Amino acid sequence: DTGVSQDPRHKITKRGQNVTFRCDPISEHNRLYWYRQTLGQGPEFLTYFQNEAQLEKSRLLSDRFSAERPKGSFSTLEIQRTEQGDSAMYLCASSSFTDTQYFGPGTRLTVL
Amino acid sequence: RKEVEQDPGPFNVPEGATVAFNCTYSNSASQSFFWYRQDCRKEPKLLMSVYSSGNEDGRFTAQLNRASQYISLLIRDSKLSDSATYLCAVRRNNNDMRFGAGTRLTVKP
Repeated sequence: DTGVSQDPRHKITKRGQNVTFRCDPISEHNRLYWYRQTLGQGPEFLTYFQNEAQLEKSRLLSDRFSAERPKGSFSTLEIQRTEQGDSAMYLCASSSFTDTQYFGPGTRLTVL
Repeated sequence: RKEVEQDPGPFNVPEGATVAFNCTYSNSASQSFFWYRQDCRKEPKLLMSVYSSGNEDGRFTAQLNRASQYISLLIRDSKLSDSATYLCAVRRNNNDMRFGAGTRLTVKP
């Protein structure tokens, strides 16, 4: 399967813990995006990388959130001191210069 | 007001019906437009890009009206397998995509 992959698929954590998610984009795609989706809503943009450079961050991305793409391939999204309001599906997408974005299966986070 | 707005539905239609969804966007600088399909608890999958001249893919037709800032999706001869949530997406002049909340479609036998 050469699509976007994400790991883990599900994460249950207690409030206050840190969590880290990984995204592996389609191999030839240089652009990578993180979104958050809650029930009944569309995906909300969090941040965007072109190669290893983080070019844009949404105001939704509080200082508890950090994302990296150190070698311009896979990316990680870390949430520190999780809160119940962080419970959501975290989606990763990638694209090439054509700007059509392809999504991974997502990581479903539940904060207890 | 949200940047991208859709009628949440649900639309409940019989098999074989024709159904149309509209989506409005507020940022006139938006450059690219898409329809995604999302099944329950799955990721969005690209259904089709929307071009200024309109485009068709089998039973699906998408149109863009820049003057009125809306895009539409028409599904003809609907199938049970078309039941899903349809998300409208708009890319602005930077690189983030803005999504509508989705329109839920249920096709019934």
